[in-house]
Amino acid sequence: DTEVTQTPKHLVMGMTNKKSLKCEQHMGHRAMYWYKQKAKKPPELMFVYSYEKLSINESVPSRFSPECPNSSLLNLHLHALQPEDSALYLCASSQADSGGRGYTFGSGTRLTVV
Amino acid sequence: AQKVTQAQTEISVVEKEDVTLDCVYETRDTTYYLFWYKQPPSGELVFLIRRNSFDEQNEISGRYSWNFQKSTSSFNFTITASQVVDSAVYFCALTQLSGGYNKLIFGAGTRLAVHP
Repeated sequence: DTEVTQTPKHLVMGMTNKKSLKCEQHMGHRAMYWYKQKAKKPPELMFVYSYEKLSINESVPSRFSPECPNSSLLNLHLHALQPEDSALYLCASSQADSGGRGYTFGSGTRLTVV
Repeated sequence: AQKVTQAQTEISVVEKEDVTLDCVYETRDTTYYLFWYKQPPSGELVFLIRRNSFDEQNEISGRYSWNFQKSTSSFNFTITASQVVDSAVYFCALTQLSGGYNKLIFGAGTRLAVHP
């Protein structure tokens, strides 16, 4: 299995809603990432988990809350989002060695905040 | 600071033309890795190649080839005999090496349109 699976593929939520994005991989990768991509822009790193521990938080607002329950799963909990948070959210995983071996992205969740 | 520059914002070609996408990077690391990804309209980032800084051999995979030149800090990507299915946004990326994970630093991307 060489895939990163993200659910849901599309999500529309109101500004008062709470929702979660899910990411799963079974490649044995111990580094997992959340990226945010606005239209016509490159992906930007949000969070990194290495061996299930949060290693990087790129000054992301607290309305985004990541969670890594085990080595295969990564969640992103969303609460009180703003319309400007509408974007494609990409999950990725890689081997936790130097060099990003096996760096694989999921197909993303297109989030619309109304 | 690490940086990736893709100066070509958009390229438009006719099918069967060859096209080269440019990538120039900046890093102070002696060990680093470069990537190319393809992003079709559906949104997923498709891995194309990963190259380490010690391997300057050019690589060819079917219609795709890559030219890595450390002397000019460039890692250019050529598609030979382009096809409509090659239409996508292409990103060049550089890793910032850290223990246990790798932050990818992306260029702005080049949008390639291949017309029949």
